[in-house]
Amino acid sequence: QSVVTQPPSVSGAPGQRVTISCTGSRSNIGAGSDVHWYQQLPGTAPKLLIYGNSNRPSGVPDRFSGSKSDTSASLAITGLQAEDEADYYCQSYDRSLSALVFGGGTKLTVL
Amino acid sequence: QVQLQESGPGLVKASETLSLTCTVSGGSFSAYYWNWIRQPAGKGLEWIGRISTSGTTTYNPSLKSRVTMSVDMSIDQFSLRLTSLTAADTAVYYCARGAGADAFDVWGQGTVVTVSS
Repeated sequence: QSVVTQPPSVSGAPGQRVTISCTGSRSNIGAGSDVHWYQQLPGTAPKLLIYGNSNRPSGVPDRFSGSKSDTSASLAITGLQAEDEADYYCQSYDRSLSALVFGGGTKLTVL
Repeated sequence: QVQLQESGPGLVKASETLSLTCTVSGGSFSAYYWNWIRQPAGKGLEWIGRISTSGTTTYNPSLKSRVTMSVDMSIDQFSLRLTSLTAADTAVYYCARGAGADAFDVWGQGTVVTVSS
């Protein structure tokens, strides 16, 4: 079991807004560790989507946004598109484990 | 742009040692941390560890007793050695560049490793 938890799945219709939560604790997100988000399309390597809680790398559409509050973080996707269907992972640093940790991943289905 | 490419055996026997190499091209090798991450089929991502270009290593405590990483700056490569393999080590192994605040901003395509009994 990961020390940061995500819902196994979320879904939404094209054009809608969805959010994916990433819940941690006082030893990781709540300790001030940054949260990063990755998108993994089927059969491909993960791609950095959001870094430092809310920053988008060059080339990532502004439909994707991240936020962090207390011991949790969220990824929001607006204007949902079919090509957004993928697995999404959050990642942070856990001070108790002294390790970089990933959430278990969330499968986004575009209806 | 920076590209990472994993290489190594696709099939290894249980109890033996896995050795993988990641070759970095198209960009700066120094001043970054270089990471190994794995993903069993149908499952999530697990960080294995990282190495700086000065050779400083940090390993996931869950794997620390079996992991060794090394770096060769002369050819822009870093390597992973994982001992005492079991079926649970069967996974896609990725190498990735560590950017500021521990984000992984560039990934290799991954290499499938199967541990056979």
